[in-house]
Amino acid sequence: EAQVTQNPRYLITVTGKKLTVTCSQNMNHEYMSWYRQDPGLGLRQIYYSMNVEVTDKGDVPEGYKVSRKEKRNFPLILESPSPNQTSLYFCASRQYWDSNQPQHFGDGTRLSIL
Amino acid sequence: GQNIDQPTEMTATEGAIVQINCTYQTSGFNGLFWYQQHAGEAPTFLSYNVLDGLEEKGRFSSFLSRSKGYSYLLLKELQMKDSASYLCGLKMDSNYQLIWGAGTKLIIKP
Repeated sequence: EAQVTQNPRYLITVTGKKLTVTCSQNMNHEYMSWYRQDPGLGLRQIYYSMNVEVTDKGDVPEGYKVSRKEKRNFPLILESPSPNQTSLYFCASRQYWDSNQPQHFGDGTRLSIL
Repeated sequence: GQNIDQPTEMTATEGAIVQINCTYQTSGFNGLFWYQQHAGEAPTFLSYNVLDGLEEKGRFSSFLSRSKGYSYLLLKELQMKDSASYLCGLKMDSNYQLIWGAGTKLIIKP
């Protein structure tokens, strides 16, 4: 089954404790992206990757890092999480960076930073 | 900027028709997406409009007018399962990124 898999689905942690949210897709997509979703603000892009070893900042990259060492994986790293990073996070992928095909989203990761 | 505006919340009755509007202030976009998102779940694709006009897909239709900076999603024969948020997004020409409205929460009442 074609899917985007995120882990963990839920996480409660404390300020300053490094965490990684994993994202993996099995569709051989070149393009992957991370969003955060907050009430009243909609989806905001954090980072995106057009292909292996190619990543770029989205609209709200501060406090986040990403890597794209392999095509299928695109982890999101919070080196020193803070309470303002409490949010619902979605990973998404599509075939190519310029494709008109729809994005496929993971099921989301709800992070709470205390 | 590329502000995208949608109503925050709408209420409709089961079996009825509802139109969810999306307005934007940009011209440099390739197309406009509509996604459905049930509470706590991932967004799922509904439609993508590149050209002006109406695209029909079963009970759902989406319309785009570039000259008016306006799109709408039309849902017919509403069912309780249509209670969800509906997200409007633009795919930008400059960098092919998607920018999103805040979404419209649709509540269906019996």
